[in-house]
Amino acid sequence: EIVMTQSPATLSVSPGERATLSCRASQSVSSNLAWYQQKPGQAPRLLIYGASTRATGIPARFSGSGSGTEFTLTISSLQSEDFAVYYCQQYNNWPPTYTFGQGTKLEIK
Amino acid sequence: EVQLVQSGAEVKKPGESLKISCKGSGYSFTSYWIGWVRQMPGKGLEWMGIIYPGDSDTRYSPSFQGQVTISADKSISTAYLQWSSLKASDTAMYYCVRPVIAAAEGGFDYWGQGTLVTVSS
Repeated sequence: EIVMTQSPATLSVSPGERATLSCRASQSVSSNLAWYQQKPGQAPRLLIYGASTRATGIPARFSGSGSGTEFTLTISSLQSEDFAVYYCQQYNNWPPTYTFGQGTKLEIK
Repeated sequence: EVQLVQSGAEVKKPGESLKISCKGSGYSFTSYWIGWVRQMPGKGLEWMGIIYPGDSDTRYSPSFQGQVTISADKSISTAYLQWSSLKASDTAMYYCVRPVIAAAEGGFDYWGQGTLVTVSS
């Protein structure tokens, strides 16, 4: 089973600055990597899939990169609404299986 | 508009059975896999399993195999998650989800509103 490890567990950044979140897979997942944002009391929201494709309606300040085992989510200029928990997820289309990382909490510095 | 609408919150006792539901609308229900994700209080996301309503092909996470049953009734565009004997550790929010791409790829772009299951004596 593929294990997804996110770092850091908590990231403190000031509004307007750049945030960089990391995700590592225990074995190659190619580009089958998604990122989600979850705010308290809400369902998660898909931000990125295919490692770098923004989901519908996601602002351009969110970008994803990487392939194989190392992935990054970058938020170029943090807005107040971006402070939340972020999860990465690997997916395999056949057989369909998915694994989430443990999450990174992005908090206001 | 694609929507996944889940059944309401449940409070159960240990040992009881439970079946929660997720009704899909706004898309071809039989053409997309539909899955379930657990989130225990204050914890992260865990993928439980997924079903293809078109032919009921079902896949489970090893962590949940044998612990829950996923099913679907395509005649009413509804997927289900059920337990035969609940435990206190089943207390969690449960989300139904739909992948971006019909072939189960691309992550989950649609989420139900969640069903809170509380198991307590």
